Amino acid sequence: QSVLTQPPSVSGAPGQRVSISCTGSSSNIGAGYDVQWYQFVPGVAPKFLIYGDSKRPSGVPERFSGSKSGTSASLAINGLQAEDEANYYCQSYDRSLSISVFGGGTKLTVL
Amino acid sequence: QVQLQESGPGLVKPSGTLSLTCAVSGYSISSSNWWRWVRQPPGKGLEWIGEIYHSGTTNYNPSLKSRVTMSVDKSKNEFSLNLNSVIAADTAVYYCGCGSGAFSLDYWGQGTLVTVSS
Repeated sequence: QSVLTQPPSVSGAPGQRVSISCTGSSSNIGAGYDVQWYQFVPGVAPKFLIYGDSKRPSGVPERFSGSKSGTSASLAINGLQAEDEANYYCQSYDRSLSISVFGGGTKLTVL
Repeated sequence: QVQLQESGPGLVKPSGTLSLTCAVSGYSISSSNWWRWVRQPPGKGLEWIGEIYHSGTTNYNPSLKSRVTMSVDKSKNEFSLNLNSVIAADTAVYYCGCGSGAFSLDYWGQGTLVTVSS
């Protein structure tokens, strides 16, 4: 059972917008700790997508955006492309556990 | 571009020691980055193992702290993970990574599967 809760799967057609939620608690996201997002594609090194809740590292398309409110965060992908099909994970820090924690992952299917 | 590559035995016997190395290219391990390890058991989520700075300062997951040791080899530009007294539950894909942020992994290795079995 992951500390951060994500939906197991989401889907969307090419060109559409999808959103992936990441729900935490007052000891992690709600405490103000930054949220990061990563993209996992089989056979490829995971990719860093979002840091500090909503900032994009250099090279990450503007189609990817992050937001945070209260004890939850979200990753939105606009203009969905076939290459976006992957597993997405959120990450934050939990002050009660004193470690970084991850969501259980969300599988994005591009229809 | 920073590249990381994990290496080590894919099979470890129960009660033995899991030893992995992460070779770093494109960046000096003496830079201001934290060098990190994360694992993912089959069918489960990601688990934070810990991190090490080039100075040798470490932060470990409290649940693994008694069994984990991390080190840095500046001459080889690599860092390592040792996990002793392994059990079947330590079977996982182990990822190395690095980050300049508090706990981010800006760059990752591809991951390596380590199975604990006799």
